[in-house]
Amino acid sequence: NAGVTQTPKFQVLKTGQSMTLQCAQDMNHNSMYWYRQDPGMGLRLIYYSASEGTTDKGEVPNGYNVSRLNKREFSLRLESAAPSQTSVYFCASSRDHYNEQFFGPGTRLTVL
Amino acid sequence: GQQLNQSPQSMFIQEGEDVSMNCTSSSIFNTWLWYKQEPGEGPVLLIALYKAGELTSNGRLTAQFGITRKDSFLNISASIPSDVGIYFCVPNYGQNFVFGPGTRLSVLP
Repeated sequence: NAGVTQTPKFQVLKTGQSMTLQCAQDMNHNSMYWYRQDPGMGLRLIYYSASEGTTDKGEVPNGYNVSRLNKREFSLRLESAAPSQTSVYFCASSRDHYNEQFFGPGTRLTVL
Repeated sequence: GQQLNQSPQSMFIQEGEDVSMNCTSSSIFNTWLWYKQEPGEGPVLLIALYKAGELTSNGRLTAQFGITRKDSFLNISASIPSDVGIYFCVPNYGQNFVFGPGTRLSVLP
């Protein structure tokens, strides 16, 4: 089992460009999450999907959109990247919404 | 939002020493999770606590869910170099888990 996988590992964008971060899990989990981590800080929740077919905003959703493509995959889209979105992005999944979460290795995004 | 305090912010210890860290809040929680993050990696779950007063061990790690439900403690015994990393307390607040600011642990040989 690969667990939670994320692509790409690294990305550099120019201000205004768009991109989609991909996440997939092979643990048959119902819930999936996107977090961002800024230097020296804990993780902050951007969006989550408690179950297939649903998505909800987290603490810092502005500037992002998400798609729960199927039970395995949850993508995060930046429509018009800004330097403030420079961060490390982590995807996570859990059996159900109140269970412990398992994290992917992260995507390091720099917006110039 | 609620205030979640984690202390110490960072600590430098000698290999073999015991380590204690804690999280406190003004809010009551139903679940406390402890995660460790190594450089360049995602957080990894260490211990999950679900009941006030619960004391749980995982090898050299021991964590407790405070009886008031507003705090939690993590102890590491006989530290080794691979204990280096950032330790996060992650309580459940409402419907979502919230990450504390972390305790950065450095182990000197």
